[in-house]
Amino acid sequence: EPEVTQTPSHQVTQMGQEVILRCVPISNHLYFYWYRQILGQKVEFLVSFYNNEISEKSEIFDDQFSVERPDGSNFTLKIRSTKLEDSAMYFCASSVSGIHNSPLHFGNGTRLTVT
Amino acid sequence: AQKITQTQPGMFVQEKEAVTLDCTYDTSDPSYGLFWYKQPSSGEMIFLIYQGSYDQQNATEGRYSLNFQKARKSANLVISASQLGDSAMYFCAMREPQGKLIFGTGTRLQVFP
Repeated sequence: EPEVTQTPSHQVTQMGQEVILRCVPISNHLYFYWYRQILGQKVEFLVSFYNNEISEKSEIFDDQFSVERPDGSNFTLKIRSTKLEDSAMYFCASSVSGIHNSPLHFGNGTRLTVT
Repeated sequence: AQKITQTQPGMFVQEKEAVTLDCTYDTSDPSYGLFWYKQPSSGEMIFLIYQGSYDQQNATEGRYSLNFQKARKSANLVISASQLGDSAMYFCAMREPQGKLIFGTGTRLQVFP
């Protein structure tokens, strides 16, 4: 069964450094998302992406964050200058369509630790 | 604005028994989808079951069923014949047309022998 793939599974970085989290969505999916989950807390929406542009973003997704689909398969989340509070599990998700009956399929997540 | 509420932070159930995890929602849009996801301790998010706002029948997927009461805006997950492997965090989520998925705060289910 097709799945969303995220790399790396765990990344440790120093405060102020840039990180890029990578995702390969399911191949026939057109809508892409990033979510984060601070340990033990709620799953929070960051950004949605469709047709090579951001369709919606949350207040968390400030100027330090950016997303890109550099080729036909990868979808990346960049954090320019990491802060301690960016430590979280980051999930990539994709769906075949944007309508309400289409489930999001999630990757296994990247655990980001900022020291 | 859409909202999902899960009022049970934790639930316990004995193996082979059924358990109901509660979820209520709020939205002004007539078209929406309701989803349940399972998050085991390993961290991945696993899609379990979907219910559409216009669906007349409750969704079922194996041992999972969704008790959908539209007038009460509730979408409770029922797990029948619980297994030890069902121990996990369970999230209720909602999606509006062309919208993101928003999650409730989750319920941690523990199945004991």
